[in-house]
Amino acid sequence: DARVTQTPRHKVTEMGQEVTMRCQPILGHNTVFWYRQTMMQGLELLAYFRNRAPLDDSGMPKDRFSAEMPDATLATLKIQPSEPRDSAVYFCASGLVLGQLYNEQFFGPGTRLTVL
Amino acid sequence: LAKTTQPISMDSYEGQEVNITCSHNNIATNDYITWYQQFPSQGPRFIIQGYKTKVTNEVASLFIPADRKSSTLSLPRVSLSDTAVYYCLVGRDTGRRALTFGSGTRLQVQP
Repeated sequence: DARVTQTPRHKVTEMGQEVTMRCQPILGHNTVFWYRQTMMQGLELLAYFRNRAPLDDSGMPKDRFSAEMPDATLATLKIQPSEPRDSAVYFCASGLVLGQLYNEQFFGPGTRLTVL
Repeated sequence: LAKTTQPISMDSYEGQEVNITCSHNNIATNDYITWYQQFPSQGPRFIIQGYKTKVTNEVASLFIPADRKSSTLSLPRVSLSDTAVYYCLVGRDTGRRALTFGSGTRLQVQP
């Protein structure tokens, strides 16, 4: 049963510290998404990649957030420096997009981040 | 961005059919309609996707009228485990429009 995995599942850190979240997409999927969910803002798209290339990162605060795909099996989301307002659940999702048809996304379990 | 409007919450009882309607007046010709389900402390899960008329799978049915300005997710005979938030998304390919989750509809199923 193929699944998206995310690590860590929980992270508590202090303001100003660097946070790195990792995601392993489903093997064979060519598109990876990063979302953030809070009670106030709901589920927000931060960035997404196709074949490891960034397609859209307009949802990310550019000064502190960065997303990369070092290889096809790993996506990372980094926050440096972290702030209390970054506290949220961060979801990674992956999907197989062929042509221009939108296909389903498979979400990971999320990383719950708390910045004190 | 294409805007979708759903009821904030709905209540139902076990065994009943639940219909959740989503309005998307600005839907474009090539847009698809996709519904996701999210349980507490989990990521969203794809339920169903359609373009027009009716689509049915083992979980739900999706009804889309001819003008496509709205769609209705139908859950037959709900159980307590269907208590979740349901999101309607509209768009094509993986452009930002297709990846915008609104506020969703919180469905509470009572025994």
